Amino acid sequence: DAGITQSPRHKVTETGTPVTLRCHQTENHRYMYWYRQDPGHGLRLIHYSYGVKDTDKGEVSDGYSVSRSKTEDFLLTLESATSSQTSVYFCAISEAGYNSPLHFGNGTRLTVT
Amino acid sequence: GDSVTQMEGPVTLSEEAFLTINCTYTATGYPSLFWYVQYPGEGLQLLLKATKADDKGSNKGFEATYRKETTSFHLEKGSVQVSDSAVYFCALRGGAEGDKLVFGAGTILRVKS
Repeated sequence: DAGITQSPRHKVTETGTPVTLRCHQTENHRYMYWYRQDPGHGLRLIHYSYGVKDTDKGEVSDGYSVSRSKTEDFLLTLESATSSQTSVYFCAISEAGYNSPLHFGNGTRLTVT
Repeated sequence: GDSVTQMEGPVTLSEEAFLTINCTYTATGYPSLFWYVQYPGEGLQLLLKATKADDKGSNKGFEATYRKETTSFHLEKGSVQVSDSAVYFCALRGGAEGDKLVFGAGTILRVKS
């Protein structure tokens, strides 16, 4: 299995509080991604990174920010959590090249009350 | 933009039945195609991939052939087991969306003993 660790695995937080999710990889892969998974919506891309300090928005980026100061870490921050951000969040990593698959972490279940 | 369409589920089969999950895609260029599987409470695992026309990906008894003429990548297995019960996602990478992985909505498979 690809070396991907997401933390925390579960979190409950209150509306309006900031939350940071962490993705750590040991594979030295160039690309890292954050997805959210919701019933009826499948997997939707929030943000991704194609190198240290190089990031771009996905289809559902509003309310989220990311940072990548090191190859191995990709942080997802909810500046002010809302109930609509209750979801399961998955990190993924990939080598460069369209032939390369994405490898996914085990997810973080976030509940905003 | 790119898109992936999967047959709607849930698909319910008896053990040892033949499985087909249809997947068609729309994309520019020559994308790579992937099937992922997600077991309850877990992240997505790569099941198989194909990177060019007429390639056949296979793994754990599952197969899929990249058919460019019909823009399809149907997943098949000759004899399913209860342990195959999961959600299956078809995806592509390398079309107009570049390094992003474009997912289908997922198909729930339930196998009864």
